[in-house]
Amino acid sequence: NAGVTQTPKFQVLKTGQSMTLQCAQDMNHNSMYWYRQDPGMGLRLIYYSASEGTTDKGEVPNGYNVSRLNKREFSLRLESAAPSQTSVYFCASTGDRPPYEQYFGPGTRLTVT
Amino acid sequence: SQQGEEDPQALSIQEGENATMNCSYKTSINNLQWYRQNSGRGLVHLILIRSNEREKHSGRLRVTLDTSKKSSSLLITASRAADTASYFCATDRRTGNQFYFGTGTSLTVIP
Repeated sequence: NAGVTQTPKFQVLKTGQSMTLQCAQDMNHNSMYWYRQDPGMGLRLIYYSASEGTTDKGEVPNGYNVSRLNKREFSLRLESAAPSQTSVYFCASTGDRPPYEQYFGPGTRLTVT
Repeated sequence: SQQGEEDPQALSIQEGENATMNCSYKTSINNLQWYRQNSGRGLVHLILIRSNEREKHSGRLRVTLDTSKKSSSLLITASRAADTASYFCATDRRTGNQFYFGTGTSLTVIP
């Protein structure tokens, strides 16, 4: 039982390049989330998916797209990376019954130059 | 804007002392949760308190919730060096299943 896994752990991109961050969970959770964490800003929600086949925008969706490939996997794509997207990205999932705690992946540290 | 705000932003205490951090939020909530984040790691869930609860304990953790003031506090008793981490509160609103995290309190416990 690996919980929530993310790949890659580190990535450096040049402005304008694209990439996809991968996330998978093995807890059979319906809800999955993508956050970004910036110094002094806490975690901000980019997109979330309440179930397979559905996605919704969070607080800071601009510049990102997501795909809920199946119940296990939720990917985040940067089509044209910008320096403002330099951040640490976390994927999380939540169970469908109380206590609704979020399980987080280890994060992806992305630098855009 | 973010739902939760923690106070203080940073806290430094001696091992064995108690640490108290506070969280304020803006709208009605279903639950309030506290998470810990060790440096370079993902967040780990510590404790959840429901909107109809006023206090909850888990080991050395004590959480209080005052919905009239829209605030919560996390008390860590008899702190240890291993408690050094950032602590975040997270709230979920009555509608939808989004979680809103505060900016966090950075706790340093000095051995």
